[in-house]
Amino acid sequence: EAGVAQSPRYKIIEKRQSVAFWCNPISGHATLYWYQQILGQGPKLLIQFQNNGVVDDSQLPKDRFSAERLKGVDSTLKIQPAKLEDSAVYLCASSGHENTEAFFGQGTRLTVV
Amino acid sequence: KNEVEQSPQNLTAQEGEFITINCSYSVGISALHWLQQHPGGGIVSLFMLSSGKKKHGRLIATINIQEKHSSLHITASHPRDSAVYICAVRGSGSGNTGKLIFGQGTTLQVKP
Repeated sequence: EAGVAQSPRYKIIEKRQSVAFWCNPISGHATLYWYQQILGQGPKLLIQFQNNGVVDDSQLPKDRFSAERLKGVDSTLKIQPAKLEDSAVYLCASSGHENTEAFFGQGTRLTVV
Repeated sequence: KNEVEQSPQNLTAQEGEFITINCSYSVGISALHWLQQHPGGGIVSLFMLSSGKKKHGRLIATINIQEKHSSLHITASHPRDSAVYICAVRGSGSGNTGKLIFGQGTTLQVKP
């Protein structure tokens, strides 16, 4: 079974630039999560989708971050404009249901300089 | 205070040693996950448990729901076990239902 796919693996941008990350969850998984993990900390939930609807985006900095999952499958997370403090690993995870095991992608390591 | 606390934050062991990582939580949960994260890599789920004990190879995970505490044990540790181990709970209370709440992680280094 293919896992959660994320791209790119690494990205370096200058502050004030924009960046987008892509996630392809495990086939059939209705729930998709985006997490931000700053070095030395545990992951922090940014947004949770159930199919193409948003379940929780309470910790998403909506002035600069946006995410969509238009067809209920793939998802993109965008940052515009990026700040230095956005440097982190962005993890995508999916689960068949919000109360079942979540599977994580390899993450995208973003460095903002 | 974090809702999920892990200890220790950092751990260095010699190859072959028995290792224990602890996780305490303060919220109602429906399940607890132990996750492994290698440097530069993604996260791999080791265990999901809601009661008792699970074993997979050299790894053992236990949970005590009454005490809101879980432990991850590694027997006969090996340098390839070096990674960050993260405890995450799936909340079941008001405002937390279905949400994964993560601990800070424990960085383990096993020396040959």
